[in-house]
Amino acid sequence: EPEVTQTPSHQVTQMGQEVILRCVPISNHLYFYWYRQILGQKVEFLVSFYNNEISEKSEIFDDQFSVERPDGSNFTLKIRSTKLEDSAMYFCASALAGGSTGELFFGEGSRLTVL
Amino acid sequence: QKEVEQDPGPLSVPEGAIVSLNCTYSNSAFQYFMWYRQYSRKGPELLMYTYSSGNKEDGSFTAQVDKSSKYISLFIRDSQPSDSATYLCAMSPWNFNKFYFGSGTKLNVKP
Repeated sequence: EPEVTQTPSHQVTQMGQEVILRCVPISNHLYFYWYRQILGQKVEFLVSFYNNEISEKSEIFDDQFSVERPDGSNFTLKIRSTKLEDSAMYFCASALAGGSTGELFFGEGSRLTVL
Repeated sequence: QKEVEQDPGPLSVPEGAIVSLNCTYSNSAFQYFMWYRQYSRKGPELLMYTYSSGNKEDGSFTAQVDKSSKYISLFIRDSQPSDSATYLCAMSPWNFNKFYFGSGTKLNVKP
């Protein structure tokens, strides 16, 4: 069964460093998302991406964050100058979407720990 | 008013009970409705998907959408300890720019 895959599963970084989280969405999907979840809290929307551009972004998704689809299969989230409060699970998700089709599928997440 | 409201629980039931989980929403543009199960430190797993209104059944799960009341439900029949998890509702308007999530209901099924 097709699935969304994410790497790394866990990354530890020092405050101020840059991290790149990688995702391979389901191959025929057209819509891509990043969500994050701080431990014990709700799933928060960061950004959506369609047709090689950002569709919508949240207030959280400021200049510190960027997304890219560099090669038609990978979808990356870059976090520059990480802060302690960036520690969270980051989930990539993808959807085929259109007509009556609207299921959103998640990866297993990348756990980011900022020290 | 939040876009999606969900009772956070926790909800504790005995094994074999029927569980009812609910979400309400405010945006009448939502068309696509989903329920997810999430175990601790894992990604949300899609359980049920419904387009527009109606009921859908899959195994021990039944999803209901009432767009007139802006209310969706998930029923779990014959609940098992393995169903203990956090259940998230999610929904999207037609443009898929964003999927809106409830805060999740933590369910504990006691043996």
